Amino acid sequence: KNQVEQSPQSLIILEGKNCTLQCNYTVSPFSNLRWYKQDTGRGPVSLTIMTFSENTKSNGRYTATLDADTKQSSLHITASQLSDSASYICVVIDSWGKFQFGAGTQVVVTP
Amino acid sequence: KAGVTQTPRYLIKTRGQQVTLSCSPISGHRSVSWYQQTPGQGLQFLFEYFSETQRNKGNFPGRFSGRQFSNSRSEMNVSTLELGDSALYLCASSSRTSGGGETQYFGPGTRLLVL
Repeated sequence: KNQVEQSPQSLIILEGKNCTLQCNYTVSPFSNLRWYKQDTGRGPVSLTIMTFSENTKSNGRYTATLDADTKQSSLHITASQLSDSASYICVVIDSWGKFQFGAGTQVVVTP
Repeated sequence: KAGVTQTPRYLIKTRGQQVTLSCSPISGHRSVSWYQQTPGQGLQFLFEYFSETQRNKGNFPGRFSGRQFSNSRSEMNVSTLELGDSALYLCASSSRTSGGGETQYFGPGTRLLVL
């Protein structure tokens, strides 16, 4: 079973609207959690990195939250733009440096 | 600073052949990780090298191997190619071994098609 589960699998939103992506994990012992954005045909680009003690981290219109107790994270996109259309991947790294990847959420922003 | 570069960008091989992919990390980065990405499986970790030593390894068969040179450039080799090896192979570099808060920078990937 995948130790990092993302939901929804895909979503379509209107330009200008907000959306929230979810990431639940069972990886232990936990080191840090990262959100990546991957445009079609390109390598992933890091959006945020959060350690155990961090609850919220923002990068422009992207805001990630982390609840280490419930092992849940979310990525909130505010005022979506067409360029936000991409796959968003949640990655959890354990204390030995092993990366566990979620399957990603495909976001499509329509005009 | 130049980003992570991968060569070749696209490759077509036939079953049974072998392939070598190359990755040049960002200057000064000593950690290089390799990933396989397929539509069905998503991103999967292959292995990580730091200072010419393999530090972590994913759950891939022995047909997948890699190495890192003294200048931190890394190569990944896949022998006896199978149809299922068709994927995007991504390389990422960071300034230290994974597990900490350092950001990984990904290359554009090599798209391998096995016929």
